[in-house]
This record gives sequence, structure tokens and C-alpha cells, in this order.
Amino acid sequence: DIVMTQSPLSLPVTPGEPASIFCRSSQSLLHSSGYNFLEWYLQKPGQSPQLLIYLSSIRASGVPDRFSGSGSGTDFTLKISRVEAEDVGVYYCMQALQPPYSFGQGTNLEIK
Amino acid sequence: EVRLVQSGAEVKKPGATVKISCKASGYAFNDYYMNWLRQAPGKGPEWMGLVNPEDGQNIYAEKFRGRVTITADTSTDTAYMEVSSLTSEDTAVYYCASGTGEGFFDNWGQGTLVIVSS
Repeated sequence: DIVMTQSPLSLPVTPGEPASIFCRSSQSLLHSSGYNFLEWYLQKPGQSPQLLIYLSSIRASGVPDRFSGSGSGTDFTLKISRVEAEDVGVYYCMQALQPPYSFGQGTNLEIK
Repeated sequence: EVRLVQSGAEVKKPGATVKISCKASGYAFNDYYMNWLRQAPGKGPEWMGLVNPEDGQNIYAEKFRGRVTITADTSTDTAYMEVSSLTSEDTAVYYCASGTGEGFFDNWGQGTLVIVSS
């Protein structure tokens, strides 16, 4: 099974400042198609998770362009260019290359 | 608009079985896999398995194989997940989720809380 490891686990950020979350997989997520099967989700307090990024760098519909994803192989990054109060919650990376699809431990973003 | 609406919270005793439903609307139910995940208190989501509504075929995480059954009723566009031999470690919020074009889980149900307690 593929193990996903995120850092940091806690991320206090001042509004308007940038933030980055890192994710490493135990195996390469690069598919023969050339795509990396890595997704990012945000779970706001009391809500179901919501998709932010898929195929490592493609923003899902309706996701603000302050969110961006990058990386290939085993190392990936989610960047928020300017954090807003509504971005509070737990961020998860997830590998979608092969079942069992697995999530990182989560990064709790909070506003300073 | 895609919607996944799950059945309500359940309280079960150890050793019992629970069956949760997920009613889909707003897309072609037969055309996309339906997944089930769970989230224990304070933990991240955990993928349990999926069903292909078109032919009823399943893929399960090894951890749940033999104890979890996922089915789909194409006449009502509803997916079901049944978990047997419940223990306190099965206390969690259970989610159905489908991917209809962007990512594996671009649509989620609201979650169903299952509490296992004697």
C-alpha cells in the first residue's frame, strides 16, 4: 500500500500571507499517461471534504486561483498565495494511483 | 447539480450490522464508480471500497474485505454499504463519494455518523 506523509501537521498563518503544505508518497504517483495521480482536499470544520486539486496541479471547478498544486513522482506541494479566513480547515493529500486510495495525516491550517 | 444524500445516524451494539444508503442525483449514476470512505474521530479519511453501478463489480480495501459489502441499485440511483461484526473501532462518520469528471472524489455525501456502543 502507498503511504502518504504530510508536513507540517499544524500551520498557523496570518491573513494575506502565503502558505505551503508538503506531501510525500512512498511510491511514485507518476502514471504511464504522464499524469501524477495526486489530489488535494480541504475539510472545513463540520463539513465533508471538498476537492481542491487533481492530477497534481489542476484546480477543481470553483476553486480560487490563489490555490496551486505542483510536484511529480513522490514530492508534492499545495500553495496558497494569500491566505483568507475562509481557508481554515484540514488539508489532505491523497494518492489516486492505485487502490487502496490513501490520504495523508492532514494539515490543520489556522488563522493567527 | 450533483447531490449525494445519505441516510441518518445510527447507534449499534457490538457485533451488529449497519447498512447505510446514498441517493445520487444530478448525473448518470450508472456511469461513475461510487466509493465509500470513513473518518474516525480526529483522523483523516480512510477509503473502504467502491462499486461500479454498471455491472455491480467491487474493489475493497484488504482491511475491509469480508466484512463490508457495497452494492448499487440502478433502478433508484442509490448505493448501499453494509458493515458487519461491528466493534467500537468502527465508530466513525461514513461518506459516499463519486468522481464525475474532476478527480476521484469530486462529490461527497453529507456523512453518516455510526456509533458502536454497548
